[in-house]
Formats: sequence, structure tokens, C-alpha cells
Amino acid sequence: AQKVTQAQTEISVVEKEDVTLDCVYETRDTTYYLFWYKQPPSGELVFLIRRNSFDEQNEISGRYSWNFQKSTSSFNFTITASQVVDSAVYFCALSEPDNAGNNRKLIWGLGTSLAVNP
Amino acid sequence: DTGVSQDPRHKITKRGQNVTFRCDPISEHNRLYWYRQTLGQGPEFLTYFQNEAQLEKSRLLSDRFSAERPKGSFSTLEIQRTEQGDSAMYLCASSLSVWGTPGTEAFFGQGTRLTVV
Repeated sequence: AQKVTQAQTEISVVEKEDVTLDCVYETRDTTYYLFWYKQPPSGELVFLIRRNSFDEQNEISGRYSWNFQKSTSSFNFTITASQVVDSAVYFCALSEPDNAGNNRKLIWGLGTSLAVNP
Repeated sequence: DTGVSQDPRHKITKRGQNVTFRCDPISEHNRLYWYRQTLGQGPEFLTYFQNEAQLEKSRLLSDRFSAERPKGSFSTLEIQRTEQGDSAMYLCASSLSVWGTPGTEAFFGQGTRLTVV
């Protein structure tokens, strides 16, 4: 069965601190995709990254970086030098492809609510 | 194109009434998904379409729920005989699938918040 666990329910940091959001997943498939989405107070889910199971390279995009470790089934997200605008709920999600290789439904974690205080 | 559009943004209804929500996906996207999100939870998958074909339905989608995408463009989600437990944010997303590839990521609308009183 597929499952995504985000153990941190809420995190509070002071601006400019680095913060890491944890994500652990379970799947029986060898081919799968992992995602991070951001949900600001406005409610719209904003895509941040997709990573396939065969690509374990870490990725950096500005202040955001992602650490994918297949050995521990983890896909952690780090925000460097956090800013107040980073305050949001962050979701990790998992998808397995269908027979045509397309992403199917997303299985979501419960989310981590990040508060960045000035 | 301005993205995925959902209408209405908010709906308050009395228990037992029927409600219908609409989703307009990004125009070239052939996949359309419906999710439900309650407070403090992650989204839960309800159903998805490839063009007009409904490919998968969650067991969460009881017989009071029905979704359609008649022309492969916009979709509607209807809830009959609403119950208080149906109160949630209903999220629509769309993506472009291409055979043999994962396709694009899912782009989400702003959701329809349903309150059943």
C-alpha cells in the first residue's frame, strides 16, 4: 500500500533560520514519483518539485533544496534563510504511474504547517 | 489561460440539499482530478478523468457523489442529499498526460469550500 508520512505537524522558526521538512513514504512499486506542494493561506496548492524514483540527485532551486534518499524512503525539503512569505502548509505526495507511464492520483501526507516569524 | 478555475468558491447548503461544483481545467490538459480536503488534513483523492472517460474512483466516492466530464473539457461534481460530513474543500486539478511519460504535474484550482449546515 502507498503511504506518505510527514511527522512534523507544525514548525515555527524565526526569519533567516534554515528549516527542514521531513517526508517518509511507502510503496511497493519500483517506479514512482514524489512531489512537494505548498499551500499558502489562500488555499491554492502550488507545485514545487517532482522527482522520479530513479533520480536520486539532490536538487537546489534558489533557497529550496530537496534530499531524496531511496535507502531510507525519504524525500526531505529544506528552506534556507527562511522568509515570512514561506509561511504555509507544505505537503509531500506520492504517485505511481499507470500502464501508459502517466502519473495517476496523488497520495498525500498530512502536511507540515510552517510559521516563519519576523 | 489563467489556470484551473473552480466555481463557486464557497457554498453553504442545508443538509439534504443537492449541490454541484464546476471545474474548468487548463485548456490543453486531458486529465482532470477531484480531491477533497478537510481541515488539518492532506487532500484525499476522489476521482479522475482522461478526456471524458472516468478512469478511477475512490471508495470515498459514495453513491451520493457523481462526477462527469461530458465533453472532455470542464467537469462537474454533484453531491446529492448532502450531510454535515461532506463539509470540506473540494479541489480540482488538471494535467497533460502523454503516453509513455509522466506528463505534467497537476495544477490545482483554488477549490470550492462547502459548508453543510
